[in-house]
Amino acid sequence: DAKTTQPNSMESNEEEPVHLPCNHSTISGTDYIHWYRQLPSQGPEYVIHGLTSNVNNRMASLAIAEDRKSSTLILHRATLRDAAVYYCILTPGNSGYALNFGKGTSLLVTP
Amino acid sequence: DTGVSQNPRHKITKRGQNVTFRCDPISEHNRLYWYRQTLGQGPEFLTYFQNEAQLEKSRLLSDRFSAERPKGSFSTLEIQRTEQGDSAMYLCASSYRDPRDTQYFGPGTRLTVL
Repeated sequence: DAKTTQPNSMESNEEEPVHLPCNHSTISGTDYIHWYRQLPSQGPEYVIHGLTSNVNNRMASLAIAEDRKSSTLILHRATLRDAAVYYCILTPGNSGYALNFGKGTSLLVTP
Repeated sequence: DTGVSQNPRHKITKRGQNVTFRCDPISEHNRLYWYRQTLGQGPEFLTYFQNEAQLEKSRLLSDRFSAERPKGSFSTLEIQRTEQGDSAMYLCASSYRDPRDTQYFGPGTRLTVL
């Protein structure tokens, strides 16, 4: 399975934008890039996913490098509720798959 | 729809006892997954069902672990002869077979083996 590398932790001020990086230099052409997050004492929740083009939804934006070897999850205005562990995960296409979570990035949001 | 539910939310047991957890997926989701999460780590995949068929099992799923999804709806995960190393959060997720295949997670069952 292709691996991802994320910083262990990041810190942001409330209402500031947050850019969470992810490196995936061994990504294959059919791998999708997914982001999930896990709030304290909860199960993980889906944030966003993409293949080649940048993606936007109500929660976040996903910027994918042209060579697809890295991506960035963008939270446009961090709130205290965004404090969570964020996981960048590669999945091999659109069939059933096991998510390989890794350790993720722990985001601290300060008021 | 109320989302994925798991019962019990917490379970404390003594070493050597058997435990069983239940997961009720989102209705009409035909895929169901089990994961295990220990403190400070990300969730680790255990097993996956499509309808009632168990299609994939991780090597983490020792022979003391068994999972079923008899009618393609709810699923149970049983751990026999529990060990202290089995203490973890057990997470269930479900998804619908569409191009996104987004997995929706339940709140988990926290197991403590004394």
